[in-house]
Amino acid sequence: GQQLNQSPQSMFIQEGEDVSMNCTSSSIFNTWLWYKQDPGEGPVLLIALYKAGELTSNGRLTAQFGITRKDSFLNISASIPSDVGIYFCAGQGNDYKLSFGAGTTVTVRA
Amino acid sequence: KAGVTQTPRYLIKTRGQQVTLSCSPISGHRSVSWYQQTPGQGLQFLFEYFSETQRNKGNFPGRFSGRQFSNSRSEMNVSTLELGDSALYLCASSREPTGRGNTIYFGEGSWLTVV
Repeated sequence: GQQLNQSPQSMFIQEGEDVSMNCTSSSIFNTWLWYKQDPGEGPVLLIALYKAGELTSNGRLTAQFGITRKDSFLNISASIPSDVGIYFCAGQGNDYKLSFGAGTTVTVRA
Repeated sequence: KAGVTQTPRYLIKTRGQQVTLSCSPISGHRSVSWYQQTPGQGLQFLFEYFSETQRNKGNFPGRFSGRQFSNSRSEMNVSTLELGDSALYLCASSREPTGRGNTIYFGEGSWLTVV
């Protein structure tokens, strides 16, 4: 699989702020997945997207599958301290291999 | 329902040795994938197994191999360990093979340190 371009690489956010991160790919994907990984643990699935244009929410999290099928974004609203962690996007194309972004490290300022 | 279980969680090996890691998928899941995670390279796909057959393989040398048993449990093996093999090895399971719109769940990983 290819490496996705995920940005920003890291962010410091104020508790209560809304944050946004995105991933782009040079090729078309059929599936976009967003994971959160805490230190020493495996990634935990947050949101799965299977159709271009799809907008899905999971609590304070919202993610969208870009209409070009080459990008996706994840929003976190009203951030809280437990939102700290590394967020990964993952995309899957016609080769069925899952490609991951390098991750966005989120740190919350109290 | 139990999640994806990986053993061992932590291990230290010496260069040149070989290692076997085990993964038990979520009950009812028949697809198991393996990934290597390092700070420099991020998450890299190793291989995927479904119904005891390797469906897909990443760009890793032949020292990395795997297999899946009839009960869907999977093992991966790394022979002739190198220092660069130190990483978190993650197993993921899904009900069907990846690519069919199904959800993929990760285990907590096995931390391998090669000295």
